[in-house]
Amino acid sequence: DTGVSQDPRHKITKRGQNVTFRCDPISEHNRLYWYRQTLGQGPEFLTYFQNEAQLEKSRLLSDRFSAERPKGSFSTLEIQRTEQGDSAMYLCASSLEGSGRVQYFGPGTRLTVT
Amino acid sequence: GQSLEQPSEVTAVEGAIVQINCTYQTSGFYGLSWYQQHDGGAPTFLSYNALDGLEETGRFSSFLSRSDSYGYLLLQELQMKDSASYFCARWDNYGQNFVFGPGTRLSVLP
Repeated sequence: DTGVSQDPRHKITKRGQNVTFRCDPISEHNRLYWYRQTLGQGPEFLTYFQNEAQLEKSRLLSDRFSAERPKGSFSTLEIQRTEQGDSAMYLCASSLEGSGRVQYFGPGTRLTVT
Repeated sequence: GQSLEQPSEVTAVEGAIVQINCTYQTSGFYGLSWYQQHDGGAPTFLSYNALDGLEETGRFSSFLSRSDSYGYLLLQELQMKDSASYFCARWDNYGQNFVFGPGTRLSVLP
């Protein structure tokens, strides 16, 4: 399978714990995006990378959220001190540089904070 | 504001044609994309309009009118498998933000 993959697919954590999600994009894609989606809503843009450079991070939901893409391949999204309101589906997508209009999404990581 | 607006639900029967509208309030952006998402699945790209007019891709077509701040997705020869949520989306010209609309849930009835 050469599509976008995400790990884990499901994560249950207790409030206050830190969690980290991984995204592996399509190999030739330069751009990588993170979104959050809650039930009945459209995906909400969080941040994106072009290769290893994080081009936009002001839309990360709070300073508890951070993302990295150290070698321009896979990316991680970390949420520190999780809150119940962080429960959502976290989606990753990738695209060819300059073609951000066509994004290929991974299956998502569903986070439940108890 | 720079939001996108869509009807929340649309219902149609198999074989019919349905139009899903998307209106927006920002004056400038690169173009309008459309994505499909089945329950429990990931969004998948359907169509994109960079310029005004109609783009046709098989049973799906998309239209954009910048002067009217309006676009739509047209689905022809509806099939049961078309039951899903449909999102319009666009890059914000003035920021680095890819914005999705709230989505339209399409139900196709036999």
